[in-house]
Amino acid sequence: DAKTTQPTSMDCAEGRAANLPCNHSTISGNEYVYWYRQIHSQGPQYIIHGLKNNETNEMASLIITEDRKSSTLILPHATLRDTAVYYCIVRVRGNTDKLIFGTGTRLQVFP
Amino acid sequence: NAGVTQTPKFQVLKTGQSMTLQCAQDMNHNSMYWYRQDPGMGLRLIYYSASEGTTDKGEVPNGYNVSRLNKREFSLRLESAAPSQTSVYFCATLLTENNQPQHFGDGTRLSIL
Repeated sequence: DAKTTQPTSMDCAEGRAANLPCNHSTISGNEYVYWYRQIHSQGPQYIIHGLKNNETNEMASLIITEDRKSSTLILPHATLRDTAVYYCIVRVRGNTDKLIFGTGTRLQVFP
Repeated sequence: NAGVTQTPKFQVLKTGQSMTLQCAQDMNHNSMYWYRQDPGMGLRLIYYSASEGTTDKGEVPNGYNVSRLNKREFSLRLESAAPSQTSVYFCATLLTENNQPQHFGDGTRLSIL
């Protein structure tokens, strides 16, 4: 079972920041949080990941709460091309690591 | 650098036919995965492989078999296709060291009539 919960859908105006929340209350101490997005039916595209510190790259920022039970993906200036399904995933540790996808958040960016 | 290559991209089968979906990677990643995605749904893990010669069941393994004959290739076989297996199938790879992200292929769109 997926270890994360996300809102089903969100809207954002073009040029504004998109803040996508994710709950992962059962996360273990050594498990990372990953964010991917999927545009139409293409293969998922990696965005960012983190353990407990906030992270930023050229695509987005990831804010993880101090208790690590939730996180927020921030797209600072959303464009129409950011319309996609965004998945928050906990990397499950084991003999080999697994990424179990949930249903994601469908972000619609409007003009 | 092709990354993760899946073949074929599209396929239509009749119920009861068999088929093998191929996945090859040139990233030298140790782990490989097969997911399926039904319309409007997230990805569900079918099988995965930590290394050559080893495979494990994921969330939805019934009706599928896999083979990891070498580090580069991980195939998914449908022995007797059923309409419920109509889906988009994604292959992914992972380098387990250093928490690197998973990389995905472009998918195989499979329809079973």
